[in-house]
Amino acid sequence: RKEVEQDPGPFNVPEGATVAFNCTYSNSASQSFFWYRQDCRKEPKLLMSVYSSGNEDGRFTAQLNRASQYISLLIRDSKLSDSATYLCVVNVYGNNRLAFGKGNQVVVIP
Amino acid sequence: NAGVTQTPKFQVLKTGQSMTLQCAQDMNHNSMYWYRQDPGMGLRLIYYSASEGTTDKGEVPNGYNVSRLNKREFSLRLESAAPSQTSVYFCASRGQATYEQYFGPGTRLTVT
Repeated sequence: RKEVEQDPGPFNVPEGATVAFNCTYSNSASQSFFWYRQDCRKEPKLLMSVYSSGNEDGRFTAQLNRASQYISLLIRDSKLSDSATYLCVVNVYGNNRLAFGKGNQVVVIP
Repeated sequence: NAGVTQTPKFQVLKTGQSMTLQCAQDMNHNSMYWYRQDPGMGLRLIYYSASEGTTDKGEVPNGYNVSRLNKREFSLRLESAAPSQTSVYFCASRGQATYEQYFGPGTRLTVT
């Protein structure tokens, strides 16, 4: 089983709409969770960390469900500038590295 | 504060040639990483260095070597390039307190 699994999409979203997607992780002992954003032909950039209680940053909300081993990202009031690939990232327990999902591609349509 | 820098940005090699990709960070981070990213494959870890003087293999180390020159610099060497090493290479670093990694802008390598 892969360490992190994401549905690659693409997710075509009308401007102003809400989009949500999940990723699942395999190691129940993982402690740290992140969403990264990657624009076409650019490096991944940290979007937000994901905390057990859930957290919000403007139009972005991240949730963690430890029992089912998934994390989610919700984008409200989508902007054209939100078009990007969103990478789900989980630390590998007991190891100095991160496991990256293949990403959810979001395309916001005018 | 430049963060993580990488050189070169682009490179074309012929099969069998060698080259070194350079990475430097100015955030005083202990850990540094080299990844490759291929279409449909996501980011895959090649090598990492938990601290100055140590290096460890990641998922796809074959065909690569690394050097942690000092705390700031971590280089990746291809001794004999192969077409299968055509990829985008990212360097990243992280500090002591969290698992968050910060990436450089990448090197686009084509091996013909």
